[in-house]
Formats: sequence, structure tokens, C-alpha cells
Amino acid sequence: NAGVTQTPKFRILKIGQSMTLQCAQDMNHNYMYWYRQDPGMGLKLIYYSVGAGITDKGEVPNGYNVSRSTTEDFPLRLELAAPSQTSVYFCASSYSMGAREQYFGPGTRLTVT
Amino acid sequence: AQSVSQHNHHVILSEAASLELGCNYSYGGTVNLFWYVQYPGQHLQLLLKYFSGDPLVKGIKGFEAEFIKSKFSFNLRKPSVQWSDTAEYFCAVEITGANNLFFGTGTRLTVIP
Repeated sequence: NAGVTQTPKFRILKIGQSMTLQCAQDMNHNYMYWYRQDPGMGLKLIYYSVGAGITDKGEVPNGYNVSRSTTEDFPLRLELAAPSQTSVYFCASSYSMGAREQYFGPGTRLTVT
Repeated sequence: AQSVSQHNHHVILSEAASLELGCNYSYGGTVNLFWYVQYPGQHLQLLLKYFSGDPLVKGIKGFEAEFIKSKFSFNLRKPSVQWSDTAEYFCAVEITGANNLFFGTGTRLTVIP
């Protein structure tokens, strides 16, 4: 099992550009999550999904979009990148709703300049 | 708003020293509690978790944590740290039934051989 994979590992964007952060898991987990971690801060939930076709906002969804067309994939889209979106992005998955271990990907370090 | 506090930002210990990392949260209802660890260059992974029952829970690598409901705390302990415990440690709290994990800001542990 590869677990949770994320691409790319690093990316530099100019203000106003857009990009998609990829996340995939091969554990057949229903639940998937996107977090961001700013320096010196804890992880904050951006969006989550409870299954294919179902997504919902977390704490900090503004400036992002997600889709979940398959169980395996949960891409995060940034439209009109802003410096405030400079962060490390983590994708995670779990077998069932909350209270269960979340498995994390290695993270994507994004810089917007 | 829910919050999770980790008061120690960076802890430096010599090998064989005892460790206690503090975690406090600000929610009065039923919670599930987690400690995650991120070793250098690796993914976040679960160290231990508490859902119910015995408030003293044991995790991997000799770590344990005690849930003290009256103090809204879930401190992490290890009687004798090793150099390989050098990592960042995150406390996380989930309100039972919710889909959101609230993370603390993390504590960086450096163990000196």
C-alpha cells in the first residue's frame, strides 16, 4: 500500500495563478480531508469528503475548491492564488467518520509570491 | 470556538530524561483525543488516542497519555526518551460526532544523545 500520496511536494506560484494539489489514497477509505498548516500553527481543516460526490467545508475553505469523483482521489483547487495561501497542505483519509485514525500524506509546500 | 493549546513550543531533553508535553482543550462536551507525531521527513502518524474507558492510554514506542476531564487536559508522557523520539508532536481534539479535528500548534522535541 502506498497509503496517502500527494503531488507535487513543492510549488511556487505567482499571485493570481491557479493550481490543483493532487491527493490519492489506496486504502479504500470513505473519508478524506484537506488541511493547511501555517508556520507555528496547528493544522486547520479546509474541506473534507465523506464519500464520492460528497464534500463539505471545514474551518478555512475560502479560496479553495474540491471535488471527489472517485473514492481514491480528492484534489484541492486553488483559484487566484494569494500570498495568504502560502502554507503546507496535508491530505488525510480515514475509514469512517472522525474519531478514527487519520492517515496523512507527506504534504505539499506551497509558496505564493 | 474550540481551541487546543500546547504550551511547550520547543522542548530539549537529554536521552533518558522523562518527558511530559501538555495539551489542554476548550470544549465542555464529549471529546475524542489524539496525539500525532511527525518524525523528520516523515508523515504525520498516530501515536495514541482516547475515546472512552481507562483515562490512561498507552501508545506506540512507550508513550502514554492521561485524560483528566476536570482539567480538560490530555498530557503526553514518556519515562525515558531516546534520540529517535526527536520529532514534532501534535495534540488533536474531536468533538464526538463531528467531522473536524482541532489541532494544537505542535511541540518540537529535540533529544540530545
